Formats: sequence, C-alpha cells, structure tokens
Amino acid sequence: TQLLEQSPQFLSIQEGENLTVYCNSSSVFSSLQWYRQEPGEGPVLLVTVVTGGEVKKLKRLTFQFGDARKDSSLHITAAQPGDTGLYLCAKGNTPLVFGKGTRLSVIA
Amino acid sequence: DTEVTQTPKHLVMGMTNKKSLKCEQHMGHRAMYWYKQKAKKPPELMFVYSYEKLSINESVPSRFSPECPNSSLLNLHLHALQPEDSALYLCASSQDRSGANVLTFGAGSRLTVL
Repeated sequence: TQLLEQSPQFLSIQEGENLTVYCNSSSVFSSLQWYRQEPGEGPVLLVTVVTGGEVKKLKRLTFQFGDARKDSSLHITAAQPGDTGLYLCAKGNTPLVFGKGTRLSVIA
Repeated sequence: DTEVTQTPKHLVMGMTNKKSLKCEQHMGHRAMYWYKQKAKKPPELMFVYSYEKLSINESVPSRFSPECPNSSLLNLHLHALQPEDSALYLCASSQDRSGANVLTFGAGSRLTVL
C-alpha cells in the first residue's frame, strides 16, 4: 500500500487568510487527485494532476504536483467559510486510496 | 444524470437485524465501489465491482455482503453487525478500473448499529 501523508491534520483560520496543505509519499505516483468532502456529503473531485511540476488553478485554489511526482500541495488564497471541509488527496489509479486528510475550518 | 444516489440516507439497526444499503448510478459507469468512513477519518475501501463482478474485497467481514444486480445498481447487505460498524458508507462509481479514473461519490448512508 502506498502511504499518503497529509499535513497539517487540522487547520483553523480566519476568513481572508491564505493557507497551504500538503500531501507526501515515498512512492512515485502516475497521477494524484484532490477531493473536498463537506459534512454529510461524499468527497467531490477538485483536480487531477498527472505531470511532474504541473500547476493547476481552480479559482482561488492552486494545486501543484512535485517534480518527482511524490508530493503535491494545495494553496488557497483568501479563504472563505465555504472552503470549510475535509481535503483529501488520493493516488490517481483506482481503486482510490486516500490520505488521512486535512480538516479545514474557515471562520467568518 | 451525473449523480450517484444512495438510500437510505440514515439507518438505525440492531445487532440481529438484516438490512440493505442501496446505490444507483445512470452514467454508464462500469466500476462501482463501497467505502466505509468513520468519524474524522478518511474513507476506507471495502469492495470494488468491475463489470458487475467483484474484483476487490479488502478483507471485509462476511457480515457485509455486496451485490451488483446490474451495471447501475450496487447493494450492501448487512447482517449481524456490531456497534463498531457504525459509520458513513459511501458508494462511488467510475468509468472503469483503468487509468486515472475519476470517482463520483454518493452522499453516503449513515449507519448506526445499536
């Protein structure tokens, strides 16, 4: 099993602040996915990154895949309460195996 | 239709009951999955069906019995469960099992075993 480490585990910030969460592994991935899960819902895919060094933007969210394809980061600019949720990274090949997640709370 | 629909949304059952969780998708996906999620933990894979055949069973106890009657439906039959089986059960589907597939998840069935 490829172990995915996510950090931090918990993050509580004020609205308007910036933040970065990380997903790391000792193994190389062919691709990596980021999901967000809100309370009472299933995870929803945010992005898939495939190429080492790739950067993808989704509005205020910026995703980066490490050059060696062993790590990834998610940066949120000007966080809003709607960004609150559990952020999960997963190795891209099915069946998906998730990291432990970062639980983000954005306080208005 | 781009959704995975799970029923019931909430289920409370005793340890001697027999119940079932249901999952349905009409996206033409040929791979379907059951995940279990305990509070404040990530989803953990239980079963994978590919083209209506069970392809992965992650050493799940036999008190959980999956069934895939057709390509659109996935059931999880529950019998003689324990209180520690209380969790959110998530169903997901994808085009198939190959490559970097995107999983579409349902909203889950929250199970409480008394």
